[in-house]
Amino acid sequence: GDSVTQMEGPVTLSEEAFLTINCTYTATGYPSLFWYVQYPGEGLQLLLKATKADDKGSNKGFEATYRKETTSFHLEKGSVQVSDSAVYFCALRDGSARQLTFGSGTQLTVLP
Amino acid sequence: DAGVIQSPRHEVTEMGQEVTLRCKPISGHNSLFWYRQTMMRGLELLIYFNNNVPIDDSGMPEDRFSAKMPNASFSTLKIQPSEPRDSAVYFCASSRRTDYEQYFGPGTRLTVT
Repeated sequence: GDSVTQMEGPVTLSEEAFLTINCTYTATGYPSLFWYVQYPGEGLQLLLKATKADDKGSNKGFEATYRKETTSFHLEKGSVQVSDSAVYFCALRDGSARQLTFGSGTQLTVLP
Repeated sequence: DAGVIQSPRHEVTEMGQEVTLRCKPISGHNSLFWYRQTMMRGLELLIYFNNNVPIDDSGMPEDRFSAKMPNASFSTLKIQPSEPRDSAVYFCASSRRTDYEQYFGPGTRLTVT
């Protein structure tokens, strides 16, 4: 079945540091890939997405590129801010399915 | 436009009691999802509906859990009887047919003592 594997956290960075959160997936078809962010006490919000190989999703300075050859969708940001502190979830949707398969989440803490 | 609305935001109950969680999806969305989030198991899909019809309930943990969607603007998740291991944050999400992006509600934090 489908699965998503994220790097385990927590991740702690200083403000303005470079961020990478690794995500790899297993899917039977050609999935769409997503990154969701969950701020403390809130629900998940879509951060970015990519629907086919080599697509790059980007939003709020975050980027992720759909790499079919390595089945990866790593999240990156060049300079993190304290306000980026949150839990980040990688997810996939396989083919025409409506449900998402989520990774375990990675807690990011950015220190001033 | 209002987002997904969930109530209550917090629920504390005693073991054995019935618990009902409520969700109002975004108007015009035709798919609705119930998730459970715990530290041990992360985010789990419990059930989802399409056009008010349950499509996949394979994530519902056991017969104590039931979910209904009587119309396009309302869904409930019921636990009867509740147990301490049901303590978690329960999220409702909705999506529309055209782009499939899921919009999450703020969640209901359930504590069963």
